[in-house]
Amino acid sequence: DAKTTQPPSMDCAEGRAANLPCNHSTISGNEYVYWYRQIHSQGPQYIIHGLKNNETNEMASLIITEDRKSSTLILPHATLRDTAVYYCIVRGGATNKLIFGTGTLLAVQP
Amino acid sequence: GAVVSQHPSRVICKSGTSVKIECRSLDFQATTMFWYRQFPKQSLMLMATSNEGSKATYEQGVEKDKFLINHASLTLSTLTVTSAHPEDSSFYICSGLRDSRNTIYFGEGSWLTVV
Repeated sequence: DAKTTQPPSMDCAEGRAANLPCNHSTISGNEYVYWYRQIHSQGPQYIIHGLKNNETNEMASLIITEDRKSSTLILPHATLRDTAVYYCIVRGGATNKLIFGTGTLLAVQP
Repeated sequence: GAVVSQHPSRVICKSGTSVKIECRSLDFQATTMFWYRQFPKQSLMLMATSNEGSKATYEQGVEKDKFLINHASLTLSTLTVTSAHPEDSSFYICSGLRDSRNTIYFGEGSWLTVV
């Protein structure tokens, strides 16, 4: 079973920041939070991951709350090409596996 | 990032035949690879985990004799769908674990249509 909860869908205006929330209240101390996205009919694309500190790369920023029970993926300037299903996944501990939930469909509007 | 390539990207096969899908990690060695299946409008479902040189571990409900997985080298894993049926038609996606980055990278996926 997926260990995360995400809203099923969100809209964002082009050029604005997209903030995608994720709840992972049962996360263990050695589990990481990973974010992937899947554009229609393609394999998932890795975005970012983190353990407890906030992370930033060329694609996005990941903000993890101090208690690690939730996180937010931030796309600073959303474009139409960012329209995709975004998956927040908890991974680590005793398993290497990525178990996908239903994700959030982000629709970037012109 | 890292590159994982799948081949073929699309394949059509006749019912009862077998079809093989290849998954290659092009710029890293993947000691562990994963195979997923995705039906339309659904999320990815993990089928099995393969470690180089050992037998794959299948998820509950996945028939190991039907979906043969071989991980013979650190850069190649194959999925063979045996005695394919129309209900096996799906989007199959592989991924490889890049240990140095503690990150899993996915291939482009392979569309299988069984007629």
